[in-house]
Formats: sequence, C-alpha cells, structure tokens
Amino acid sequence: KAGVTQTPRYLIKTRGQQVTLSCSPISGHRSVSWYQQTPGQGLQFLFEYFSETQRNKGNFPGRFSGRQFSNSRSEMNVSTLELGDSALYLCASSLDQFFPGQETQYFGPGTRLLVL
Amino acid sequence: DQQVKQNSPSLSVQEGRISILNCDYTNSMFDYFLWYKKYPAEGPTFLISISSIKDKNEDGRFTVFLNKSAKHLSLHIVPSQPGDSAVYFCAASAASGTYKYIFGTGTRLKVLA
Repeated sequence: KAGVTQTPRYLIKTRGQQVTLSCSPISGHRSVSWYQQTPGQGLQFLFEYFSETQRNKGNFPGRFSGRQFSNSRSEMNVSTLELGDSALYLCASSLDQFFPGQETQYFGPGTRLLVL
Repeated sequence: DQQVKQNSPSLSVQEGRISILNCDYTNSMFDYFLWYKKYPAEGPTFLISISSIKDKNEDGRFTVFLNKSAKHLSLHIVPSQPGDSAVYFCAASAASGTYKYIFGTGTRLKVLA
C-alpha cells in the first residue's frame, strides 16, 4: 500500500506570494492533518480534515487554509507569505474509523517551503 | 501553552546501552500517546503507542512506559544502535476531545559507535 505523498517536495517563494501544497493520504484513510515544523518548535498542528470538513484547527492566522476533496486528498494554502512561514509542512493521514483520536497517524515526507 | 513537553533537546548514548527519552504532559484528558522517529528530510515515522489503560507497551527494542499520576511517559531503546540516531517526538491525544494530536518539541538522540 502506498504511503502518504506530498507535492511539491521543495518550494521557494517570495514574501507576499501565495502557495498551495498537496497531500494524498494512504488509500482508505479518511482523516488528513497538517503540521508545520520549524527548528525548536516541534510539530505545530495546523488543521485536520475529515470527510471534506475541517474538524479541528490550530492557532494559526487565517492566511493558512485548507480543504479536502471527496477522494480524501487535501490541499493547504498559505496566502500573503511571510518570512516566518519558512518551514517543513507535514501532512499525516489516519484511518479514523474505529477509535477516533486513538489511531496512528502516518506522515508524508513533507514540503520544505522557503520564503525569501 | 505547551501541553506536551520534551525537556531534553538532545541526548547522547553509547552503542549497546539503553536510551531513555522522556515526555511530560499537562492535560489529564490525554489518553493515547505515540512516539515518532524523524530523520532529516523525511517525515516522522511511527514507532510505538500506548493507551492510558496500560502502563507499558513493548515492541522489540522499544518500550514505552506511562505514569498517569505523574503525567509522564518514557521511551526506552535497548540496546541502542547507531541507526537509532534521529529526533524523537512524543505525541498525545484525547479520544473524547477534538481528535487532534499534540506533539512535543522533540529530543535529538545520538548513538555513538
């Protein structure tokens, strides 16, 4: 079974631009979560989607948004990029069928975004 | 508000010895805990998990211990191998809560040959 895939793997943007990142979960997984990883900050939760609905949201400004499609694939968008948005963006999927909140999340390789 | 804390940013251990990575949490609603390992330029890889109904879970060289009264969990790696050198994250979630997983800031483990 294929793992979580994320595209693109690397991205360079300039301040003020916007960016869209894509995530394809493991087949059959219905929950997709997004995280931002910066040095010293660990993984900061952005949001979680389940059945095309945002189920949870972290403490990030409204410039960060996402969506999930009917095939569970998800995208996240960051508008008006700032230098501080440079980070590794990770997507994770879980089955979320029997024990929501108690199932393992499987991560993709991440998209490294550099904002100049 | 860091609900999951890994107070040791780094740890060095000799090959063959035991590695102990610690994690503390503040939210008593957390009832499921996971450990992930992360190599540079890769996404985190799931290692082991534990439910709050247990106090120990073992998988090969990896054992996780949970002390609910102290709100503390630890990951033991025995014996440590050079390939274990990575950043280790603990994560917690509450089944009755909002389904999101809260991660610690990570501990960088270096196993010396």
